[in-house]
Amino acid sequence: GDSVTQMEGPVTLSEEAFLTINCTYTATGYPSLFWYVQYPGEGLQLLLKATKADDKGSNKGFEATYRKETTSFHLEKGSVQVSDSAVYFCALRGGGFKTIFGAGTRLFVKA
Amino acid sequence: SAVISQKPSRDICQRGTSLTIQCQVDSQVTMMFWYRQQPGQSLTLIATANQGSEATYESGFVIDKFPISRPNLTFSTLTVSNMSPEDSSIYLCSVEAERSYNEQFFGPGTRLTVL
Repeated sequence: GDSVTQMEGPVTLSEEAFLTINCTYTATGYPSLFWYVQYPGEGLQLLLKATKADDKGSNKGFEATYRKETTSFHLEKGSVQVSDSAVYFCALRGGGFKTIFGAGTRLFVKA
Repeated sequence: SAVISQKPSRDICQRGTSLTIQCQVDSQVTMMFWYRQQPGQSLTLIATANQGSEATYESGFVIDKFPISRPNLTFSTLTVSNMSPEDSSIYLCSVEAERSYNEQFFGPGTRLTVL
């Protein structure tokens, strides 16, 4: 079945450092791919998405490119801030009604 | 988009009791879901709440333990029955709005502690 694998955390960075959180997926067909973010004490919210190969999703300085050849959707940000500290979930939606979530990666950004 | 509220936001319950969690959406939605998120873990889908019919449960979850109601397109409840400490978790309501292209919106969650 469909699955999502993302790098384990926690990831600890200093402010203004470059961020990469790796995400790879297994799916039949052409799934939509998402990154959700969960700030402390809150529910998840969509950060960005891509619906077809080579699409780049972007929001709040974060970017991810849908790479079908490597089945990847890595999250990147050029300069993180303390306010980016959160848990990040990679997710896919295939042909059914279920969204498959990765295990989540916790990011800590130090001032 | 959709704005979702959940009640209660948190509760501490005794073993063997039941708790009903409410989920209210500010617009009519087709798809509503209930998830469980245990501390430091990812989301596990409990069931899809279907309006006017029985919920569709995922493997490992049963109606007797997690009865779900969905009387209309904006409201659903999840009951956690005969609770044990293993049920301590965050329970999240989620919806997929019309024309949202598979994007899901989440409520703030209900943090449940069972003693």
